[in-house]
Amino acid sequence: AQSVTQLDSHVSVSEGTPVLLRCNYSSSYSPSLFWYVQHPNKGLQLLLKYTSAATLVKGINGFEAEFKKSETSFHLTKPSAHMSDAAEYFCVVSYRVVSSNTGKLIFGQGTTLQVKP
Amino acid sequence: EAQVTQNPRYLITVTGKKLTVTCSQNMNHEYMSWYRQDPGLGLRQIYYSMNVEVTDKGDVPEGYKVSRKEKRNFPLILESPSPNQTSLYFCASTLTRMHNEQFFGPGTRLTVL
Repeated sequence: AQSVTQLDSHVSVSEGTPVLLRCNYSSSYSPSLFWYVQHPNKGLQLLLKYTSAATLVKGINGFEAEFKKSETSFHLTKPSAHMSDAAEYFCVVSYRVVSSNTGKLIFGQGTTLQVKP
Repeated sequence: EAQVTQNPRYLITVTGKKLTVTCSQNMNHEYMSWYRQDPGLGLRQIYYSMNVEVTDKGDVPEGYKVSRKEKRNFPLILESPSPNQTSLYFCASTLTRMHNEQFFGPGTRLTVL
């Protein structure tokens, strides 16, 4: 069965310090993995995606994530937080539904990132 | 500009009063979905459509209907809304059912009293 767990519901960092948002997944197949960001009163925006190419994936706004198969993790990092990074972040695993041959997304519960001045 | 639009963005209604939330995309995408977002639960898929006149249930379809008469539009219908359908709703689209990256609308915040 496919699932995704975001290990922290809330993370607080100071501006200029590193960000780490943790995500573990469970998948019977080689998964595609995504991080989406949701700013207040906005829709979800794709930050980055992993689709079995390079294990270190770079995204927008200085974020990156590393796919670690042995640890079934896909943690999101950024070297230096900015005030504009304050938002909710979703880790998402995608897999193929064989019966309908469609892609299906499973969302984590979300992590709220607070950035303090 | 490539986008997914939803209307209305905010809606307060009463139990039992039928409502429709519209969704439209201008990217010629085949695959469209509706999700609801609730605190601590992430996003859960309500219904999806693989193409015109092809729709199927997602994980939480009870109390909802959809239709796909045109490729660009995918309305969500609540025939008899109840308070447990108070939520934030997102429409999303992707190029084909084989693709994983989805483009999301801005969301519709629905309150059912």
